[in-house]
Amino acid sequence: GDSVTQMEGPVTLSEEAFLTINCTYTATGYPSLFWYVQYPGEGLQLLLKATKADDKGSNKGFEATYRKETTSFHLEKGSVQVSDSAVYFCALSPIQGAQKLVFGQGTRLTINP
Amino acid sequence: DVKVTQSSRYLVKRTGEKVFLECVQDMDHENMFWYRQDPGLGLRLIYFSYDVKMKEKGDIPEGYSVSREKKERFSLILESASTNQTSMYLCASSLPDSYYGYTFGSGTRLTVV
Repeated sequence: GDSVTQMEGPVTLSEEAFLTINCTYTATGYPSLFWYVQYPGEGLQLLLKATKADDKGSNKGFEATYRKETTSFHLEKGSVQVSDSAVYFCALSPIQGAQKLVFGQGTRLTINP
Repeated sequence: DVKVTQSSRYLVKRTGEKVFLECVQDMDHENMFWYRQDPGLGLRLIYFSYDVKMKEKGDIPEGYSVSREKKERFSLILESASTNQTSMYLCASSLPDSYYGYTFGSGTRLTVV
């Protein structure tokens, strides 16, 4: 079945460090891919999205590129801030018309000043 | 601003009580979801509704029921609360195709004592 695998956390970085959170997926067909962010005590918010191979989603300095050849959608940011501390979820929409997203387990990120 | 509103941010209930968690969305979305989130377990789908009065069990429906009498409102019911239902509960809504992603509420942190 369809699945999403994220790198295990927690991840701890210093402010201004480069961030990568790995996400790989298994799906039949051509899924859409998402990154959601959950700040402490809050619900999830859509961070970025890509709908086809080689698309790059970007928002708030974060980027992720849909790589069909490696079935990956890694999240990157060039210089993290303390305010980026949150839990990050990778997700996919399996096929057109699918009703439910498939979520990864989430990766907790802590940025130290 | 479009919203999914969960009626309580924090709730403390006693074992054996009947508990209602309410969720309202203003986006005219067909689909609504209830998840629970526990450390190390990610998001687990409890129930899903794709139309008024229509529902589908998710991965962990035991001990829960749901009600959707109006399109905008989706209620999660704990028939007899137990301590192992202490958790963060997240409501989400979406269009029929998950390609468009979900909009989440802010969550309800339920403690059963």
